[in-house]
Amino acid sequence: QKEVEQDPGPLSVPEGAIVSLNCTYSNSAFQYFMWYRQYSRKGPELLMYTYSSGNKEDGRFTAQVDKSSKYISLFIRDSQPSDSATYLCAMSPAGGGNKLTFGTGTQLKVEL
Amino acid sequence: GAVVSQHPSRVICKSGTSVKIECRSLDFQATTMFWYRQFPKQSLMLMATSNEGSKATYEQGVEKDKFLINHASLTLSTLTVTSAHPEDSSFYICSASGDSSNYEQYFGPGTRLTVT
Repeated sequence: QKEVEQDPGPLSVPEGAIVSLNCTYSNSAFQYFMWYRQYSRKGPELLMYTYSSGNKEDGRFTAQVDKSSKYISLFIRDSQPSDSATYLCAMSPAGGGNKLTFGTGTQLKVEL
Repeated sequence: GAVVSQHPSRVICKSGTSVKIECRSLDFQATTMFWYRQFPKQSLMLMATSNEGSKATYEQGVEKDKFLINHASLTLSTLTVTSAHPEDSSFYICSASGDSSNYEQYFGPGTRLTVT
């Protein structure tokens, strides 16, 4: 079993839809949770960064962490074609030396 | 946000030659830099972690004599793929982190290596 599981998709939604992206994990030591967006043939770009459980909102993006269920989510409101990309979750334990464990990424396509 | 650059963005080399990839943090000091490789439609695979002035720590299964990493300054790390073979063809991405208490990593744009 992988430490971090993420549905690879592809996920196709119409413009304006609310998108829900999720990851589950098995390591209860993970404390830091991140979401990255990666466009084709580019490096990942940090979108959201949360510590421990709870919600964090930034514009159209909301990140949720439920440590009791070992489940994290990224919601995108009013999705746009420019949101089409691969979204990677990543996480790290406290004292992990900044080392991240990544999910495989979910490919999202927002259609006109 | 913090900016990380990589050079070159694409490189094609012949089998048996060596290729050097540079990773620079442009507007912050990176105490730690990471090197990843990524195959098509797959996630990032961590190859090694390097701290400025120290030897790199390689992940299991990554040959340190083949993938030479140097982190000589707080803004520059290099990855040299020695005696490259076609199976080394991949997308190589570096990331940089400012300090050990900050878990945010900032990624470079990646280098596409093709070995013929």
